[in-house]
Amino acid sequence: EVQLVESGGGLVQPGGSLRLSCAASGFTYSDYWMTWVRQAPGKGLEWVANIKKDGSEKDYVDSVKGRFTISRDNAKSSVYLQMNSLRAEDTAVYYCVRGHSGFDVWGRGTRVTVSS
Amino acid sequence: DVVMTQSPLSLPVTLGQPASISCRSSQSLVSSDGNTYLNWFQQRPGQSPRRLIYKVSNRDSGVPDRFSGSGSGTDFTLKISRVEAEDVGVYYCMQGTHWPPLTFGGGTKVEIK
Repeated sequence: EVQLVESGGGLVQPGGSLRLSCAASGFTYSDYWMTWVRQAPGKGLEWVANIKKDGSEKDYVDSVKGRFTISRDNAKSSVYLQMNSLRAEDTAVYYCVRGHSGFDVWGRGTRVTVSS
Repeated sequence: DVVMTQSPLSLPVTLGQPASISCRSSQSLVSSDGNTYLNWFQQRPGQSPRRLIYKVSNRDSGVPDRFSGSGSGTDFTLKISRVEAEDVGVYYCMQGTHWPPLTFGGGTKVEIK
C-alpha cells in the first residue's frame, strides 16, 4: 500500500523551531519529487516547498524562504521540513505529498501550532 | 504567480442533482510540453485532500464516474452528475504548469440542501 506518514508536529513558541518528517512506503521513493503543503485552520491549501528526486533542486513559497529547509534521505525513504523562526501565521496542518505537480498521494498531516 | 479563482464559494445541492464548480486561472495553463497541469482535489470533513482529476479530465483510480473534469486554457470545470451524500466537502483546483509556486484555488464547499 502506498503510504505517507508525517510526524514531528506540536506546539512551539514564536521564534522557535520544529523538524517535520515524512516516511514513505509502498513505492520507489527515489523516483518521485516530494512536496509539503499546509492548511491553516479553516483555510485553504498552500504549497510550501518541494524537492527533486535526488535532492538537487528545492523550491519554496516566498513566505518561508530563509526560514524553512526541505531535505530528503532516499535511503530512508523520508522527506523532512526544518522550520526555524516560526511565526503565528505558520500555524497549520502540514501535509506530505508525492510528486511536484501531480499530488496523487497525501499523508494524513501533522499539526503545527505556533503560540506563546 | 498564477492566481486560481474558484466559484462559487459555497454550493448547496439536492441529493441526486448535478453540481458544477468553475476554476479560472490568471494565465493559460498549457505547458511547453503540450500538457495542461490542472488537478482537482476533494477534501471531506476531517480528512486529507484526495486527488480526483489530473491534467484537466483524467479521473483517478477509484473515483466514481459521476465526477468529470473539462476545460482548456484558463477556464476549467468540475462536474458531479448526481450528487451523493459522500460528496460533501471542499473541492480545490490546482495548477502545476507554472511553478514555483504551485497554486490552489480558494475552494468550493459542497453541501446538501
